[in-house]
Amino acid sequence: DAGVIQSPRHEVTEMGQEVTLRCKPISGHDYLFWYRQTMMRGLELLIYFNNNVPIDDSGMPEDRFSAKMPNASFSTLKIQPSEPRDSAVYFCASSLKRPPLHFGNGTRLTVT
Amino acid sequence: GDSVTQMEGPVTLSEEAFLTINCTYTATGYPSLFWYVQYPGEGLQLLLKATKADDKGSNKGFEATYRKETTSFHLEKGSVQVSDSAVYFCALSFLFSGGYNKLIFGAGTRLAVHP
Repeated sequence: DAGVIQSPRHEVTEMGQEVTLRCKPISGHDYLFWYRQTMMRGLELLIYFNNNVPIDDSGMPEDRFSAKMPNASFSTLKIQPSEPRDSAVYFCASSLKRPPLHFGNGTRLTVT
Repeated sequence: GDSVTQMEGPVTLSEEAFLTINCTYTATGYPSLFWYVQYPGEGLQLLLKATKADDKGSNKGFEATYRKETTSFHLEKGSVQVSDSAVYFCALSFLFSGGYNKLIFGAGTRLAVHP
């Protein structure tokens, strides 16, 4: 079992640029989650999918953020345009219907 | 609403000391409770869990008991090691509409263990 795979591990970009974060969940898991972690706000749930369908996106901070899951093995989180306050570690996690969640190692995003 | 409160860190201990990290929760029903651990540069990993009152979760020398009367799930370890240095998150799981048990995390408690 390869676990949840995220890419890239680190992303540095300039304000105004588009950023795309990628996630491959564990095979067979039908729930996928995107979290953001900052020192100030801790872990925040941004959005989650069930069977590739977005169920709850109430945590997405602004319209600049969007997430897709075109198939069971791939999801993206896109920020367009990016801003310095988006700097954080973004985690993808997957699970079966009940927890526990299995987390990836995260993408550290720095927007300058 | 449902929430989890953890003791503030950092917690700094010497190797072989006893560890307690307090966690209390607020919930309208009977959630499942979890402890996750995050090592530097990594994602969160499940450490232990308990699904009903009086259950004790345990793993790698860590223990926590689900106390309904005090709405608590304190994490303990009898003798910490330097390798236990990490951030520890308490979480509860509740059945929300849509059929999914959504996780609510506490703010995390950083543990630093010195030789």
